[in-house]
Amino acid sequence: NAGVTQTPKFQVLKTGQSMTLQCAQDMNHNSMYWYRQDPGMGLRLIYYSASEGTTDKGEVPNGYNVSRLNKREFSLRLESAAPSQTSVYFCASRGPNQGSEKLFFGSGTQLSVL
Amino acid sequence: KNEVEQSPQNLTAQEEEFITINCSYSVGISALHWLQQHPGGGIVSLFMLSSGKKKHGRLIATINIQEKHSSLHITASHPRDSAVYICAVRPNGNEKLTFGTGTRLTIIP
Repeated sequence: NAGVTQTPKFQVLKTGQSMTLQCAQDMNHNSMYWYRQDPGMGLRLIYYSASEGTTDKGEVPNGYNVSRLNKREFSLRLESAAPSQTSVYFCASRGPNQGSEKLFFGSGTQLSVL
Repeated sequence: KNEVEQSPQNLTAQEEEFITINCSYSVGISALHWLQQHPGGGIVSLFMLSSGKKKHGRLIATINIQEKHSSLHITASHPRDSAVYICAVRPNGNEKLTFGTGTRLTIIP
């Protein structure tokens, strides 16, 4: 089925541990995004990628890195997790083009950092 | 002040009532999206608007570009419509989207 596949669904880390959240889309979209969702704050952009090989910072990039090695995949890495990074993370893609764009979201990753 | 403001923040209504959720924004935009998020669930796109009005089933979305305002209407509301509804805008010439904080809708049988 077409869509955005995001893994893992749940993760518990200890402070200082690292992990990578994986995201892949099979709709040939250029634009992909990583958001975090915290209670009462709405979705906040961590990083986005307008095309393969390019990435840009969003509102809250500190403590995160991303990689867009091909058009399908956009991964988010936490090098040294902190309790402030406890959140629900969503990957999204936007396409097919600006005239008829639609947003597609992954199912989310609930991350707890102890 | 958020670039995207939604109202109301919370809305409780009886089944079959007509529901209106509002979204106001402060910048020129290329697109406005309405999204739905069920409790503990993922986020689903309902509509993308750049002008006018769109309808899908019991859902209707309108946008007034001059007034920088959009509304999402639900006719004959049902308990399964209970969810958080999120408005997001993509400013002109920008890849990024700005999100409202959402409207939590509860429909009571």
